[in-house]
Amino acid sequence: AQTVTQSQPEMSVQEAETVTLSCTYDTSESDYYLFWYKQPPSRQMILVIRQEAYKQQNATENRFSVNFQKAAKSFSLKISDSQLGDAAMYFCAYSGGGADGLTFGKGTHLIIQP
Amino acid sequence: DAGVIQSPRHEVTEMGQEVTLRCKPISGHNSLFWYRQTMMRGLELLIYFNNNVPIDDSGMPEDRFSAKMPNASFSTLKIQPSEPRDSAVYFCASSLLADPTDTQYFGPGTRLTVL
Repeated sequence: AQTVTQSQPEMSVQEAETVTLSCTYDTSESDYYLFWYKQPPSRQMILVIRQEAYKQQNATENRFSVNFQKAAKSFSLKISDSQLGDAAMYFCAYSGGGADGLTFGKGTHLIIQP
Repeated sequence: DAGVIQSPRHEVTEMGQEVTLRCKPISGHNSLFWYRQTMMRGLELLIYFNNNVPIDDSGMPEDRFSAKMPNASFSTLKIQPSEPRDSAVYFCASSLLADPTDTQYFGPGTRLTVL
């Protein structure tokens, strides 16, 4: 079974600084997808970024980018120019080709210090 | 687009009662997922529908849980009888493609409290 590990229960960063959230996963599949979701206090799960495993280029969405290391099974999220609105729980998730839906990590609580 | 709609947003019930959670996926989406979020276990997939057909219900914890999708625009998750350990936030998500690797869009969740 696939597993997703987020080793940082909580991270804190100063506004306007850069922060990196780590995520590792375990799978025997070669083709899969990885996601970062944001969950603010409203509880809404919001897609931040998506990476396809067969693509070597790291995905980027505005201030959000990933460092995808397939051999190391690592998928970290970098947030540049952190803003107060970035404060939330961030979940790393994996989806493979089987009928398994998404497998989530336990989440990282990101605090933005003004 | 209104996004995924879930109702109710909050539900408080007593142990032993039947609870029904409802979900309307994004129009045109072909897959629907039910997840449960608790502090102890995080986010877990309960069941997944593809074109209204249940594909994988291995995450449904017990026979007390059942889910239906009578048409492409509506799904229910029922718990009968409910127990205090069922207290959690229940999310519904949908995706355009009939493929579990496609991007999933989540509803706002239903916070269930069983006393």
